[in-house]
Amino acid sequence: GAVVSQHPSRVICKSGTSVKIECRSLDFQATTMFWYRQFPKQSLMLMATSNEGSKATYEQGVEKDKFLINHASLTLSTLTVTSAHPEDSSFYICSYNLLQGLGTSGPRSYEQYFGPGTRLTVT
Amino acid sequence: AQSVTQLGSHVSVSEGALVLLRCNYSSSVPPYLFWYVQYPNQGLQLLLKYTSAATLVKGINGFEAEFKKSETSFHLTKPSAHMSDAAEYFCAVSFSNDYKLSFGAGTTVTVRA
Repeated sequence: GAVVSQHPSRVICKSGTSVKIECRSLDFQATTMFWYRQFPKQSLMLMATSNEGSKATYEQGVEKDKFLINHASLTLSTLTVTSAHPEDSSFYICSYNLLQGLGTSGPRSYEQYFGPGTRLTVT
Repeated sequence: AQSVTQLGSHVSVSEGALVLLRCNYSSSVPPYLFWYVQYPNQGLQLLLKYTSAATLVKGINGFEAEFKKSETSFHLTKPSAHMSDAAEYFCAVSFSNDYKLSFGAGTTVTVRA
């Protein structure tokens, strides 16, 4: 259970074009999801937090007009890299936050389930 | 400031030997703690998590971790390494109620035959 898919797994595009990456939760629904980027041999860097039906919240230094996030349903979110440049080449990973053990005072636990990632190369 | 630190960017062990990966955090509030594993060109898979229940947490693939509040640590161990354990391991911490994770820099594990 708790499977997350991403499409495409790899994409090569020319500088100046836009690329859309899809992230789907296949067997569960979640309100909150996250987009990360990861450079080679580095850790994950959170780009933005997205709640279904709301505008995404971007981390400091991440351009919201360049990285457009659409989170229209509980199982699908998209990240569009607009006017891509070589420095946008990276590994993009999405995750969905799954709440567990809901009680009267809120969730007892939660964890993020990650997609397999999308390797973007901008030439 | 709240932070998470993984000591050692690279760990090399012999097959069958103990695997020990270190993670320390800095926080003024009790955190949730996670260990994830990442294989090349793949996403992250949860190994185990600590959410204020038992301090010794058992995860998948024979891994376990112990939360030590006095040492602000959450070290990951596996008694006997297998070749398939070669991967990148990330410690992650959640400090707040917004479910955000802060990741450590990662530790690359290589296993020698």
